[in-house]
Amino acid sequence: GAGVSQSPSNKVTEKGKDVELRCDPISGHTALYWYRQSLGQGLEFLIYFQGNSAPDKSGLPSDRFSAERTGGSVSTLTIQRTQQEDSAVYLCASRSGGGSTEQYFGPGTRLTVT
Amino acid sequence: SQQGEEDPQALSIQEGENATMNCSYKTSINNLQWYRQNSGRGLVHLILIRSNEREKHSGRLRVTLDTSKKSSSLLITASRAADTASYFCATDEGGTSGSRLTFGEGTQLTVNP
Repeated sequence: GAGVSQSPSNKVTEKGKDVELRCDPISGHTALYWYRQSLGQGLEFLIYFQGNSAPDKSGLPSDRFSAERTGGSVSTLTIQRTQQEDSAVYLCASRSGGGSTEQYFGPGTRLTVT
Repeated sequence: SQQGEEDPQALSIQEGENATMNCSYKTSINNLQWYRQNSGRGLVHLILIRSNEREKHSGRLRVTLDTSKKSSSLLITASRAADTASYFCATDEGGTSGSRLTFGEGTQLTVNP
């Protein structure tokens, strides 16, 4: 595909369940970012992958959150034992690397924890 | 925490008028970017201004950057109803941050037909 895709587009889960959110970046983009956006708020950085380097996990809010990027392409964000405050839109973005700093965003996954 | 602070939080104007949104930030930056978001979903990059630039134009968009005041403004001229969206500034601190962007809280622009 031409752009960043994310799945599912919407996810409703019960408190305490685990969820996995998927991001397919633009082919060839070496950098991948996850952000979280609560209702009416700006974006909160979660984690950043660059090539084969160790990810920057400094934005993850708790140890219930983890992410991996397999083969330098697809990424999965996992939230364990979900809480109601985890409800938000989770946005993924990719960047081509090199000198470009523009990020290309996916449509996001709206997570609702009941 | 968010580095950028934007004002106003919400702006409502008539079609054809100009819209100005402001962004302030706290740290030194490599560049500042403006993004647009429709309906709370994916963001679209609008324009990037580097720290050594003071003004940049792209179509109906004009961005200014004042690094001494750590502030930027986005001007949309001759607004259209289709410009209705949320607009976010994002700062890139460069260095070892990996072009990680720090976003402001956003300005909700409504352009009335």
